[in-house]
Amino acid sequence: KQEVTQIPAALSVPEGENLVLNCSFTDSAIYNLQWFRQDPGKGLTSLLLIQSSQREQTSGRLNASLDKSSGRSTLYIAASQPGDSATYLCAVLGTNSGYALNFGKGTSLLVTP
Amino acid sequence: KAGVTQTPRYLIKTRGQQVTLSCSPISGHRSVSWYQQTPGQGLQFLFEYFSETQRNKGNFPGRFSGRQFSNSRSEMNVSTLELGDSALYLCASSLIYWQGEDTGELFFGEGSRLTVL
Repeated sequence: KQEVTQIPAALSVPEGENLVLNCSFTDSAIYNLQWFRQDPGKGLTSLLLIQSSQREQTSGRLNASLDKSSGRSTLYIAASQPGDSATYLCAVLGTNSGYALNFGKGTSLLVTP
Repeated sequence: KAGVTQTPRYLIKTRGQQVTLSCSPISGHRSVSWYQQTPGQGLQFLFEYFSETQRNKGNFPGRFSGRQFSNSRSEMNVSTLELGDSALYLCASSLIYWQGEDTGELFFGEGSRLTVL
C-alpha cells in the first residue's frame, strides 16, 4: 500500500525566504506525482505535475523535482510571499492504485510580512 | 473555460438522513473522481468514473455510492448519515483516459462541505 509522507507538517518563514517542502512515498511504481495548494475552506489548486519519466517541472517561482528511485519529491518556492500561505499537498498516482491518488497530509505554510 | 463545479457548497443534515452531491466536470473531461477530506484522515479516495463506468472504489462502506451520466456529470450519494461523515467532499476531473504514463492532471472543484448533526 502506497504511503505518502510530507515533512514538515507546518512551516513559518519570513517573507522573501526560499523554502523547500518535502514529500516521500514508499512505492516507486508511479505514473506521476502532483503538487497541490489548498487555501482554508477551499478546494485544491494544481501547481505542478511531474510524470514518472521526468525529473523536474517549473512554474514561475515554483520548482518541483522527482527522484522516483528514492521515493522523494521536493517543492521549492523561491522568494516566498505572504500570498503563498496555504497548505501544500503532494499526491502520487501509482501504477497499481486503480486511478486513485494517494495524498500526503500536507505542509501548512505561513509566510509572515 | 469553467472549472469543476460542485453543488451544493454547504449543507447540514441530521443523522440517518441521506445526501446527494453533484459535480460538473470541466467541459471535455470524461474522468471524474471523488475524495473525502477530514482533519483526521486527510484526503481519501472514494471512487472514480469514466464513461459512466465506475472503475475503482475506495475503502468506504456501501452507504457511499455514486454514478456518472452520459454528459460526464457525476453525483455521489451517502445514505444513513453518521456523524463521522462530516467532511469536505471534493470532486476532480481529468481530460485524459488514464493509461500508462500519459496520465492527466487532476482539476478539483471547491468542494461540498457536509455537516452531520
